[in-house]
Amino acid sequence: NAGVTQTPKFQVLKTGQSMTLQCAQDMNHNSMYWYRQDPGMGLRLIYYSASEGTTDKGEVPNGYNVSRLNKREFSLRLESAAPSQTSVYFCASSVAGGLGPQHFGDGTRLSIL
Amino acid sequence: SQQGEEDPQALSIQEGENATMNCSYKTSINNLQWYRQNSGRGLVHLILIRSNEREKHSGRLRVTLDTSKKSSSLLITASRAADTASYFCATAMPSGGYQKVTFGIGTKLQVIP
Repeated sequence: NAGVTQTPKFQVLKTGQSMTLQCAQDMNHNSMYWYRQDPGMGLRLIYYSASEGTTDKGEVPNGYNVSRLNKREFSLRLESAAPSQTSVYFCASSVAGGLGPQHFGDGTRLSIL
Repeated sequence: SQQGEEDPQALSIQEGENATMNCSYKTSINNLQWYRQNSGRGLVHLILIRSNEREKHSGRLRVTLDTSKKSSSLLITASRAADTASYFCATAMPSGGYQKVTFGIGTKLQVIP
């Protein structure tokens, strides 16, 4: 029972490069989320998908795009990476939005030089 | 902007002592959730308390909610070294037909053996 799986776990990019962070959940959850965690700032929501086929911007969406590929998978893309996007990225899922607990992956540690 | 703010930001106690962390928020909520994060890992859901509840227990955890003061507390009794982690509160409030969940910046707890 894997829960929420994120790949890769670590990544180093150069400024201007692009990459996609992958997330998959096996709990049949409807809602999925992407957060970034920076020191002293807690978790900030980048994008979320309330249900399959829908995506919406969160608090800090600039520089990111997302795709809800199917009910299981929710990917986050950086089109042109910037040093300000150096962070730890977490994917989470929940049964139905904020009415219940979120289940988190172990994160992707991304450094942009 | 942060909806939930934890206090204190850091706490160091001896094993066996109780640890109390507080969370204050600004607007009406549907529920408040507490999460734990061990170093290098994702967040793990601990307990959810709804706005019409005042107290909830789970093992050594006790959560209280005072909606009139817009505050919550997490009490960990008889702490263990394994409780060393960061603890986050998260508030869920309605936002455009969706439950928006906002995390605080966390309390870093160190339990000294």
